[in-house]
Order: sequence, then C-alpha cells, then structure tokens
Amino acid sequence: AQSVTQPDIHITVSEGASLELRCNYSYGATPYLFWYVQSPGQGLQLLLKYFSGDTLVQGIKGFEAEFKRSQSSFNLRKPSVHWSDAAEYFCAVGPPNSGNTPLVFGKGTRLSVIA
Amino acid sequence: DAGVIQSPRHEVTEMGQEVTLRCKPISGHNSLFWYRQTMMRGLELLIYFNNNVPIDDSGMPEDRFSAKMPNASFSTLKIQPSEPRDSAVYFCASSPRDINQPQHFGDGTRLSIL
Repeated sequence: AQSVTQPDIHITVSEGASLELRCNYSYGATPYLFWYVQSPGQGLQLLLKYFSGDTLVQGIKGFEAEFKRSQSSFNLRKPSVHWSDAAEYFCAVGPPNSGNTPLVFGKGTRLSVIA
Repeated sequence: DAGVIQSPRHEVTEMGQEVTLRCKPISGHNSLFWYRQTMMRGLELLIYFNNNVPIDDSGMPEDRFSAKMPNASFSTLKIQPSEPRDSAVYFCASSPRDINQPQHFGDGTRLSIL
C-alpha cells in the first residue's frame, strides 16, 4: 500500500537558520512526489514537484527537495528560513504518468520560526 | 484565473442537520477531489471524479455522506444527518488532464457540528 511518513510532527527553527523536513514514502515504483504548504486558514499550495530527471528540484519561496531512490526519501530544504515560512508542510505521492488520480499525503510537519 | 472556490468557508450547525459543501473547480480541469482534514487522521481522500463521473468513493465514511458532480463546474458534498465527529476541514481540489500538472486546492470549509 502507498504511504507517506513525515517523522517530525513539529519543528522549531530560528529565523535565518537552515531547514530540512523529512519525508519517506512506500510505493511500488518511483512515484510522483510533491511538497505542499498550508498556512493557517488556507488551502494547500504547491511548493515543488518531482516527476523524473534531476533529483534535486527547485520550488517556490526558495525551497528545494532532493529525491533519493535508495532511501525512498524526498526531503525538503531551505538554506535560510524566514518568519513567513511558519506553516504546515505536507509531503505527498501520486502514481506516475497519471495526473488525474488522488495523492496520498503524509500527516504533515508544523514549522515554527522563532526570532 | 480563479482558483478552486469552496463555499461556505465556515459552517457551524447542530447535529442531525443536513450540511452541503460546494466546490467550483478551475475551468478546464477534468478531475475533482474531496479531502477531509482532521488532527487525528490528517488529509484523507473521500471521493474523486474524472469527467464528472465518480471513480472512487471508498473513502466516504458512511452512507450519511454523498457527493455529486452534475457538471464540469460544480460539485457538492452532502452530510445527512450530520454528527459531531464529522467536524473537520473539507478540501476540494482539481487537476487538469495534463499528467504533469498537480492538484490545486481550495481554501477549505471548516465544519463544526455541535
């Protein structure tokens, strides 16, 4: 069965510090991989996606993620966190070559940013 | 372009009442998804439609839940009768036919059943 694990429920970082949010997935083949961000009271906004090719993908707001097939991981990183990055982050997987099927989401990691 | 539009944004009602959530997908998108978000279970798929046809409703909790998509620009999720355990945020998302395009989410409906 497809599943996504985000081991960290809540992370707190200082503004300006680097960030890494972990994501591991279980899937029969290499899936499509996504990171979404949810600000309070808002819907989910796509940060970045991986379909194939270069395993390091760049997204919006200065985020990047690296796909590691051997570790079934797709960790999200940012070199310098801003206070506005405080939000909930969701990793998701979907079947390859199929844009019209549902995604499976992790339970999210809440990011707090302190001064 | 307008994004996915959900209404109402907030709904508070008493248990036993009928609740109807509405969603307008992005124009041209042919798939529509209903998700429910709770603290305990995270984001769960309830049902999804391709070209207005329900494809998988196995996530619908029970017969009290029903969803329709009468045309490409409108979908409803109905709960009748509602119960306190239905309290959650309900999201609608849509995606286009292009396999390389991700799902776009609405801002959700926060539902509280008293």
